[in-house]
Amino acid sequence: ETGVTQSPTHLIKTRGQQVTLRCSSQSGHNTVSWYQQALGQGPQFIFQYYREEENGRGNFPPRFSGLQFPNYSSELNVNALELDDSALYLCASTAVPNTGELFFGEGSRLTVL
Amino acid sequence: SQQGEEDPQALSIQEGENATMNCSYKTSINNLQWYRQNSGRGLVHLILIRSNEREKHSGRLRVTLDTSKKSSSLLITASRAADTASYFCANYYNQGGKLIFGQGTELSVKP
Repeated sequence: ETGVTQSPTHLIKTRGQQVTLRCSSQSGHNTVSWYQQALGQGPQFIFQYYREEENGRGNFPPRFSGLQFPNYSSELNVNALELDDSALYLCASTAVPNTGELFFGEGSRLTVL
Repeated sequence: SQQGEEDPQALSIQEGENATMNCSYKTSINNLQWYRQNSGRGLVHLILIRSNEREKHSGRLRVTLDTSKKSSSLLITASRAADTASYFCANYYNQGGKLIFGQGTELSVKP
C-alpha cells in the first residue's frame, strides 16, 4: 500500500511569485486535505477536496486554491506569495465515509524570501 | 479562534517515566484525535476517541476525554527515547471534514 507522497520536499520562492505543491493520496483514499503549519504551531486547515470539488475551506484568502484530479491526486496553488506563507504544507488523505482520521505526507517546506 | 490549547507546551522526562499531555478545546466535537510529529515531518495518527467514549487504550497510550470540561489527556507509559516528538490533539468537525489542531506539546525523553 502506497502512502501519501508530496513534492517538492523543499523549495524557495521570492515574494510575489506563485507556487504549486503536489500530493498523491494513499491508495483507496478519495479525499484530500491541505494544511499549513508555521514553525512552532499546530497545522491549520486550508481546504479539503472530495470527488474533485472543494468540500470545506478554512480561513485562508482566495490566493490559496486547489485542484483534485480523477485519480484523487491534488495540487495546492498559492499566488502572490507573502513572507508569512513560509511554512510546512501538509497534505493528508482519507477515505469517505470516514471518522476524520487522516494519513499525512511528509510535507513541502516553502520558504518565501 | 477555534484552536484548542495544549499543556504543557514542553515536557522533558527520563526514559521509563510516564508522560501526560493535556488538551482543551472550545466547541463540541465529533471525535478527538492525537497525532505525533517528528521534527517538522509529517504527522502520524496515534489514537481516536469518540465523543461518547471516556477512555481508550492503544499499547502504551491511554487517552481520556471529558466532554463536560472540553478536555482530553494523553498518557504515554514507560516512555522511550524514541517517543521524543511533538504531540498534537485535534478536534474533528464533520462539516467540511476538517481537523482543528492544538498548538502541540514538545516531548523530550532523555535516555
